[in-house]
This record gives sequence, structure tokens and C-alpha cells, in this order.
Amino acid sequence: QVQLQQSGAELVKPGSSVKISCKASGYTFTSYDMHWIKQQPGNGLEWIGWIYPGNGNTKYNQKFNGKATLTADKSSSTAYMQLSSLTSEDSAVYFCARSQLYPDYWGQGVMVTVSS
Amino acid sequence: DIQMTQSPPSLSASLGDKVTITCQASQNINKYIAWYQQKPGKAPRLLIRYTSTLESGTPSRFSGSGSGRDYSFSISNVESEDIASYYCLQYVNLPRTFGGGTKLELK
Repeated sequence: QVQLQQSGAELVKPGSSVKISCKASGYTFTSYDMHWIKQQPGNGLEWIGWIYPGNGNTKYNQKFNGKATLTADKSSSTAYMQLSSLTSEDSAVYFCARSQLYPDYWGQGVMVTVSS
Repeated sequence: DIQMTQSPPSLSASLGDKVTITCQASQNINKYIAWYQQKPGKAPRLLIRYTSTLESGTPSRFSGSGSGRDYSFSISNVESEDIASYYCLQYVNLPRTFGGGTKLELK
């Protein structure tokens, strides 16, 4: 069965960076896009971007250009998202989601808290 | 970017009611809309894709319809397990964009 296992919650300081992971299993990792989605507390869903692990191609929501960097490691079937220059506005739950054109299977989410 | 205007933001229903949520896109999205259910503290779950195609495991009381810019999602005979937030997503263009969500509560 398809599973996406994300890394644990992060408490990070303003101005720093954080890298969260999403380990895929139960399907061919290189054959599907991996999307990343942000959800601030009590708010809706915001699409950050996607990576195609097969060739490393990425597409970003322009809003997250320079904020998020997506990578993937085919050898471990793991996708990563690095968030940089963190501010309180980056405090949120971040989901990875396998995608065909639309996200179908989702990770459990990672809570990132930016606080000094 | 395509804007997805979802309404209502919240909805109160009794068990057994039929409820309907709408999403209006800022341009024609050619039926490329999906609907998700999210319960507190959980990841969204895909219920419907391409306007009206139910995903495996989605109960038949859920349905979707629409075309062009206007789409709707309905739950007939609301059950207690349906209490959640619901989101639409357009996937015709990048960036993908979600509706603002609808929180379904019990009356």
C-alpha cells in the first residue's frame, strides 16, 4: 500500500532553515510527482510546488520561490523540502503528497514552529 | 493564478441532511477539480477527482458535478463521520489552487 512517512515536528529559530523529509513506499517513487502543501493553523491549503523524482524537475508556486527548495533521493525513495530564512509566517503544517495530476496519497504532515 | 472561490465557509447540518458545497473558478477549468475531506489533525483525503469520479473507498453518498467555472460537491444523508472540512482543488493549471474550505458541523 502507498505510504508517505514524513519526518518529525521541528522547532526552529527565525532566520534559520529547516529540511523536512517524506519517505515513500508501496509504489514506484520515480514515476509520480511529489507535491508539497502548506497549511497554517486554522487555515486552508496552499500549494508550494512539486518535484518529479524521475528526473529531478521541479515546479514552484511563485510565492514560494526562494523560500522552498525541493529535492529527491531516488536511492532512498525520499523527497525533501528545505525552507529558508524562516519567519513566523512559515509556522505551519507541511504535507507531502503523491500526485498524478492531483494529490492522491498524503503524508501525515510535519508541524514546523518558528520561534525564538 | 486561478482563484477558487468556495462557499459556504461553514455549514451546519443534521444527521441525514443533504448538504452542498460550491466552488467557482476564476476561469474555465474543464472539469479538472478534485474534492478532499480533512479531519482535525489529519491529512486531507481525496474523495472525488475530475468533477464526479469517486475514488475507491469513497461512499456513494458523496457526489460532484459541474462544468466550466462552476462546480458543486454534495453529501446526501450526512453521517457523523462526515463532520470535517472540505476543500476543492483545481488541477488544470499551475500553480494548483485550493478553495478556502468549508467546515461541516453538526446542528
